[in-house]
Amino acid sequence: GAGVSQSPSNKVTEKGKDVELRCDPISGHTALYWYRQSLGQGLEFLIYFQGNSAPDKSGLPSDRFSAERTGGSVSTLTIQRTQQEDSAVYLCASSLWTGRGEKLFFGSGTQLSVL
Amino acid sequence: AQSVTQLDSHVSVSEGTPVLLRCNYSSSYSPSLFWYVQHPNKGLQLLLKYTSAATLVKGINGFEAEFKKSETSFHLTKPSAHMSDAAEYFCVVGYAGGSQGNLIFGKGTKLSVKP
Repeated sequence: GAGVSQSPSNKVTEKGKDVELRCDPISGHTALYWYRQSLGQGLEFLIYFQGNSAPDKSGLPSDRFSAERTGGSVSTLTIQRTQQEDSAVYLCASSLWTGRGEKLFFGSGTQLSVL
Repeated sequence: AQSVTQLDSHVSVSEGTPVLLRCNYSSSYSPSLFWYVQHPNKGLQLLLKYTSAATLVKGINGFEAEFKKSETSFHLTKPSAHMSDAAEYFCVVGYAGGSQGNLIFGKGTKLSVKP
């Protein structure tokens, strides 16, 4: 597609439920990133994929968070047993691997609200 | 360790006056530095980036930033603000080598432009 696509755009869930967020990167982009933006906070790095592998998972806030990427394309971010503090905008970005200073292309995000 | 600090959470200017958004970074490596802009209800967009070429970097929409190693700063400027510049601006530090995925975002500076 023309840009990074994320779905759903909005998700309202009850505390304790599991949610899956999807990201379709720009075709041909080998690098994919997940970030979280909470109200009043900056962007918080969650995880980064190069191809299907995740060399950097350091940002995942707890073991309730996991992510996978298949076929070097679509990625899903799964949050198990959601908590109210998980409410945020989850942003996905992709880039070509340049080795230095890659430009990120961001999706519009998924607004997650945990009631 | 890498970190980035945006010194002002909110900046307000009048249309036609200069804009200065301040950013200081800390990096153990030769850094890559970026400014991203997020307009209301839109995704993040790259304004400009520094990757050890010219220290004065020109970006889109008349913005520019100067890398000052001695001051560890990468402030964003524009000579004359326009109403359409009202948005949130993020300073980002990345680093050559290692995991390129962990780009560190500042907490953002909200720019308001008064008529």
